Amino acid sequence: NAGVTQTPKFRVLKTGQSMTLLCAQDMNHEYMYWYRQDPGMGLRLIHYSVGEGTTAKGEVPDGYNVSRLKKQNFLLGLESAAPSQTSVYFCASSTGQLSTNEKLFFGSGTQLSVL
Amino acid sequence: KQEVTQIPAALSVPEGENLVLNCSFTDSAIYNLQWFRQDPGKGLTSLLLIQSSQREQTSGRLNASLDKSSGRSTLYIAASQPGDSATYLCAVPQTGSARQLTFGSGTQLTVLP
Repeated sequence: NAGVTQTPKFRVLKTGQSMTLLCAQDMNHEYMYWYRQDPGMGLRLIHYSVGEGTTAKGEVPDGYNVSRLKKQNFLLGLESAAPSQTSVYFCASSTGQLSTNEKLFFGSGTQLSVL
Repeated sequence: KQEVTQIPAALSVPEGENLVLNCSFTDSAIYNLQWFRQDPGKGLTSLLLIQSSQREQTSGRLNASLDKSSGRSTLYIAASQPGDSATYLCAVPQTGSARQLTFGSGTQLTVLP
């Protein structure tokens, strides 16, 4: 049982380049999330999805786009990378809403550097 | 807007000590509170989830308590071991949102052999 899998694990981009991060979960979870983690700032929510075909903005959505075409996959796209997007990106999933005492399951992260 | 603070940012203790990590939050109207563990270069693992109606939750050597009225939670680790070395983060649902968590910045714990 793999849980939440993120690819790639590391990536270096030049300013202006684009890329897509892939998140896959095999737990049949409805909810999926993309977070970024920066030193001293904790984790901040970028976008999330409450089910296949849905997406919603989180706390820091600017510069990112997402898609949830299949229930098990949640893609995070950077159309024109900027140095401010250098960060560690985490995908997470849960069965239901976090207010209903559902635990959050995380992937192992993607270290992205934008030069 | 909910804000979560964890003090201290880093803690170093000798093996065998009992220790307490602190988490405070500004909006006491929370549904629950989660404690996570993060190992270097890894994702977060949920350790304990305390529902708003609970006062504490235990798992092995870990005990988490919740005092909603004062906006505080503590994670107690008994008989610490070097394998407990990691960053511990707490998180609560964002005010007015059932779908977003607000995380603290974490406490980096080092247990010395």
